[in-house]
Order: sequence, then structure tokens, then C-alpha cells
Amino acid sequence: NAGVTQTPKFRVLKTGQSMTLLCAQDMNHEYMYWYRQDPGMGLRLIHYSVGEGTTAKGEVPDGYNVSRLKKQNFLLGLESAAPSQTSVYFCASSYVVGGGSNQPQHFGDGTRLSIL
Amino acid sequence: GQNIDQPTEMTATEGAIVQINCTYQTSGFNGLFWYQQHAGEAPTFLSYNVLDGLEEKGRFSSFLSRSKGYSYLLLKELQMKDSASYLCAAPGGATNKLIFGTGTLLAVQP
Repeated sequence: NAGVTQTPKFRVLKTGQSMTLLCAQDMNHEYMYWYRQDPGMGLRLIHYSVGEGTTAKGEVPDGYNVSRLKKQNFLLGLESAAPSQTSVYFCASSYVVGGGSNQPQHFGDGTRLSIL
Repeated sequence: GQNIDQPTEMTATEGAIVQINCTYQTSGFNGLFWYQQHAGEAPTFLSYNVLDGLEEKGRFSSFLSRSKGYSYLLLKELQMKDSASYLCAAPGGATNKLIFGTGTLLAVQP
């Protein structure tokens, strides 16, 4: 069972270039999330999705777009990369929340992105 | 607003016990998570508390006091492999969005 898989693992871009980060989960989770992690800042939510065909903004959405065309995939796009987007990006997924409790999020191994 | 506070760094000795504290302020309360993150790796789930009290899982225990907005992670019989960042996180609302603290970097020394 692969869990949450992110591709690529590493990437270097030039300012202004575009790219898409891929996230796939095989746990049939409804919810999926994209975070960025920067030194001293902790994990910050970029965008999230509560089901196929839905997306919503998180804490730091500017400069990013997302799509959830299939339940198992959640794509994060950078249309015009900027040096401020140099970070480690994590995708996560979880089951639907219910019964007054929450479900743990399962994380991918991360994508290390450098923008020059 | 929502805020999670935890110490930035801690050092402890192999075989000892260490307590990592977390205070939180959230709009509503839906429980509190602890994650472990080794350098260069993904966060992995450790524990979830929604009721007051202590939850024990082997060498790791997590405590919650909702009235005080306070939680701690207790690690017993420390091993070198416990050197990692420990992230405190609280969900915000029905979509299970998590607000993370900046993490506590624990260094276990021989």
C-alpha cells in the first residue's frame, strides 16, 4: 500500500516558469491538502479539497492553483514561479470527519522546490 | 484567531523522560494532534486527543486540558531515534483543516 505519493521529489525552476506538483493517494480518502513548510514557519495550508471536483483556499493560496479531477489525485500548480515559493511542499489526505472526532492526515514524502 | 505555541528546541538524554508542551487558541475545539517529523521526511501521526486526560501509547503519551488550552507529549525511555521535530496541530472546523505549531526540535544526546 503506497499511501500518499508525491512527484517530483526535487525540482529547480527559474523565476517565471510554471510547473505542476502531483499528489496521488490510494486510501480512498475524501479530503486532500497541500501544505508548504518553511524554516521557522511550520506547515501552512495552501489549498484543500473535500471531494472530487471541489477545491478551497487555505491560509496561503496566492500564486498557486489546484485541481481535483479524480478522487485519488490532487494537483498543485505554480503559474509563474517566484523565489518566495522556494519551499518544501507536502500533500496530505484524510478520511471524512464525523462522529465528533477528526481523522489523522497522512502525508506524502514532500517535494523540495527551489526557485532561482 | 487561531494560534498554536510550542517551544522551538529541547534537548534530553537517552533513557530519560521529556515533556513537550503545546498551548493553543482555536475558534471552537475539535481535538488536538501530535505528529513526529524526522529531518527530511514527512510528518507521521502520533496521537489525537479530544477529551481531557492522558492517552498512552507505548513510550509516548499525550495529555489534554481543554479548559487550559494546553496539551503535552510525554516521551519515556528516550532513544536516539526519537530525535525529531514534534508538531502540535489543531483542526479548524468540519473540513479537518489543521493549524500547525512551528514544531519542537528534540535532540536526544547519549
